[in-house]
Amino acid sequence: EVQLVESGGGLVEPGGSLRLSCAASGFDFSKTWMTWVRQAPGKGLDWVGRIKSKNAGGTTDYAAPVKGRLSISRDDSKNTLYLQMNSLKTEDTAVYYCSSLSTWGGVIVLSYWGQGTLVTVSS
Amino acid sequence: DIQMTQSPSSLSASVGDRVTITCRTSQSISSNLNWYHQKPGKAPNLLIYAASSLQSGVPSRFSGSGSGTDFTLTISSLQPEDIASYYCQQSYSAPYTFGQGTKLEIK
Repeated sequence: EVQLVESGGGLVEPGGSLRLSCAASGFDFSKTWMTWVRQAPGKGLDWVGRIKSKNAGGTTDYAAPVKGRLSISRDDSKNTLYLQMNSLKTEDTAVYYCSSLSTWGGVIVLSYWGQGTLVTVSS
Repeated sequence: DIQMTQSPSSLSASVGDRVTITCRTSQSISSNLNWYHQKPGKAPNLLIYAASSLQSGVPSRFSGSGSGTDFTLTISSLQPEDIASYYCQQSYSAPYTFGQGTKLEIK
């Protein structure tokens, strides 16, 4: 059974940092591209960024609002995805979901999702 | 970046109604369009992928269509358990943008 479990959320002051983790199990994590999506309270889904598998280059892409402040990494030996969040702003307040990326029908899909972890940026 | 325009933003319908949600993209994305639904307090789940393929376990009253820039999600006969928010998402190119969402309620 595929499981994605996020952790590390909490309350942080503007300008602060936080690192989220996503523990994966039930699939070959090292071969899987991964992504982070966030959802501000009462709002829709916002794609944050993705990281490719190491054998695909391990490169990252980010949405414009987070580029340069949020960074995605992975530790395949621990089956864990990370989101390092620096220079946090109040508008980064959201539930953060990790998701696996799969190719189904020739199309990339967000195939499995974690339960999310809440990050609140406030003084 | 590819812009997504999803409509309506909210929809109230009766049990048994046929419901349609549309999604338009700012450039052609072939069939690289997915639909997700999200029930209150829960994580999103994949509903339809590649514009028209039903995810395993999803009831057949759900269907998707379209290609290029115009896509549609249809529920043929609305059921009470379909109350959720629905999102389209393009995966043609990063950033993999989402539509603004449609909140579906029972009348």
